[in-house]
Order: sequence, then C-alpha cells, then structure tokens
Amino acid sequence: GESVGLHLPTLSVQEGDNSIINCAYSNSASDYFIWYKQESGKGPQFIIDIRSNMDKRQGQRVTVLLNKTVKHLSLQIAATQPGDSAVYFCAEPKGNYGQNFVFGPGTRLSVLP
Amino acid sequence: DGGITQSPKYLFRKEGQNVTLSCEQNLNHDAMYWYRQDPGQGLRLIYYSQIVNDFQKGDIAEGYSVSREKKESFPLTVTSAQKNPTAFYLCASSITGGTGELFFGEGSRLTVL
Repeated sequence: GESVGLHLPTLSVQEGDNSIINCAYSNSASDYFIWYKQESGKGPQFIIDIRSNMDKRQGQRVTVLLNKTVKHLSLQIAATQPGDSAVYFCAEPKGNYGQNFVFGPGTRLSVLP
Repeated sequence: DGGITQSPKYLFRKEGQNVTLSCEQNLNHDAMYWYRQDPGQGLRLIYYSQIVNDFQKGDIAEGYSVSREKKESFPLTVTSAQKNPTAFYLCASSITGGTGELFFGEGSRLTVL
C-alpha cells in the first residue's frame, strides 16, 4: 500500500547551519510530492513541491531532491533560522481520493541559538 | 485577505455530546477537506467534498458527519459515536484540477472531558 514516512522524528541544528529532512515513500507510481511546514498550534503551510519528472527543485532557501530509484525525498533548508523551527511533512497524492494526500508523521526541526 | 477560517480554535466537550466545527473559505475553491491530527502522527482524512452538495468519506469517517450546502462552508460534526474524539482538526481547501496544493486553516483543538 501507499505510505509516506520520515526517517527522523526530530532534528536539531545550529542557527546558520543547513538542515536536511528526509522522507521515504513506497508508491513508485506517485508523480507529485509536496513539503509542508507546520508551526506549533497552526495549520500546515505549503513550502515547495516537485513532480516525478524532476530530481531537484529550488525555492527561496529551500531545495527538494527526489531520488526515484530509492523512493526518497529530502528537503534542504539553507542557513537555518529560528523561524524555521516547525514540523515538516512530506505528502504524496492518494489516487483514490482525487487531490487527497498521504502525509507522513513529520519531522520536528529545532533550531539552536 | 483570502483564506480559511476555522472556529472555534479550542473546544471542550463532555462525553456523549455532539459538537460542530466550522470551516469557511473565501478562496473560491471547489474542494474542501477535513483532516484529523494526533500527536506523532500524520494527517488523516475524515471527509472531503469536491463540489457543493456532494461529499465522500475519507479514511476515518466513522463517528463524523459533514455537509456542503454552500461552496464557502464545510462544517464537521463530531458525534458521540466517535470513540476517541480528542484531537486537532484541520480544514483545507484546494482548486479542483490544480496542482493539488492544500490550503489549511489554523485548526480546531477538541478536548473531550
């Protein structure tokens, strides 16, 4: 069945360092992935997405890498800032429900001063 | 500004009572969703609606009910049949036929006393 999971439940990084958050998926037919950021007590917010015909996509301070061979996604955050502290989810479409998505449990990123 | 508004933000309920969570959007999105979030777990789909007067069950619909009488509104009722209703509830919307990005509200935290 489909599943999206994250390798590390928590990640602590020093302010200014780069962060790498990983995600494994099992449905090799998935053609689209999204990363969301959820701050404490709030709803998730879209960060960046990537289609399966790409292996890399860059945004502002964020880069998503897709390795279809091993079914692995990663989100890289450059020069991590205190405001980056949040839970990060990757998600892939769940075909039976149209635009519904399967979410992993998330990785909590803590930025240390 | 356009967005999704959920209310109330916090809600306490006694066992055996039904409660209704409100979700309103002014993004002119056709599709709306309700997700449940428990600590350490990913979001799980309760119900979704792709058009007014139509909705479908998600993965965990038992003990919940919804209506979609207006495009802007998608209220969720947590009934007494829901055995473990204490959770964080998130409403989302999306453009049908778009990239699939979900726009989330700020969430409603329900606690059963």
